[in-house]
Amino acid sequence: DIVLTQSPATLSLSPGERATLSCRASQSVSSYLAWYQQKPGQAPRLLIYDTSNRATGIPARFSGSGSGTDFTLTISSLEPEDFAVYYCQQRSNWPITFGQGTRLEIK
Amino acid sequence: EVQLLESGGGLVQPGGSLRLSCTASGFSFRNYAMTWVRQAPGKGLEWVSGIGGSGGSTSYADSVRGRFTISRDNSKNTLYLQMNSLTAEDTAVYHCASREPAAGLAFYYWGQGTPVTVSS
Repeated sequence: DIVLTQSPATLSLSPGERATLSCRASQSVSSYLAWYQQKPGQAPRLLIYDTSNRATGIPARFSGSGSGTDFTLTISSLEPEDFAVYYCQQRSNWPITFGQGTRLEIK
Repeated sequence: EVQLLESGGGLVQPGGSLRLSCTASGFSFRNYAMTWVRQAPGKGLEWVSGIGGSGGSTSYADSVRGRFTISRDNSKNTLYLQMNSLTAEDTAVYHCASREPAAGLAFYYWGQGTPVTVSS
């Protein structure tokens, strides 16, 4: 199975700051990587698919980059509603796997 | 408006069975692959199983293969997950999600989930 390792586990930042979240795969997933946001008590929400494509309705402050084994989700200027848990997910190989998550908290 | 509504969760004893349902509305259900994802209390997301639009193609995580069966009834716009031989490790909220072809087959729409607790 492809293991996705997210770092850091927790990221403490203030509104207006830039957030950089990392996802590293144990082997190449090509560009088949997605990012999801989850808030407490809610279902996950798709943010980015295939590395860098924003899902419908996702603000432009969210961007994704990378290829192969190293991927980044960047939030250019944090809004209060962005504080949540973020997961990466690969669909390159079966089984589909998720990273363990990065918790983005208010500093 | 797209809606996915899960049901069928609850408390079950170890070794028992449950059948989860996910009723879809607001999109052409038969044209979408579907999936189940679970989240144990305080833990991350775990993909469980997936099925193609016609129901002919299925896949399972190793942790559930041989115990869980995914199926769908396109005439009822409903996805199912039959869960047998349940253990405490299956305790989680179970979400269904649709896979969007126009979004790299990512999990686009999600239901709110149905909780499953396996305990004596």
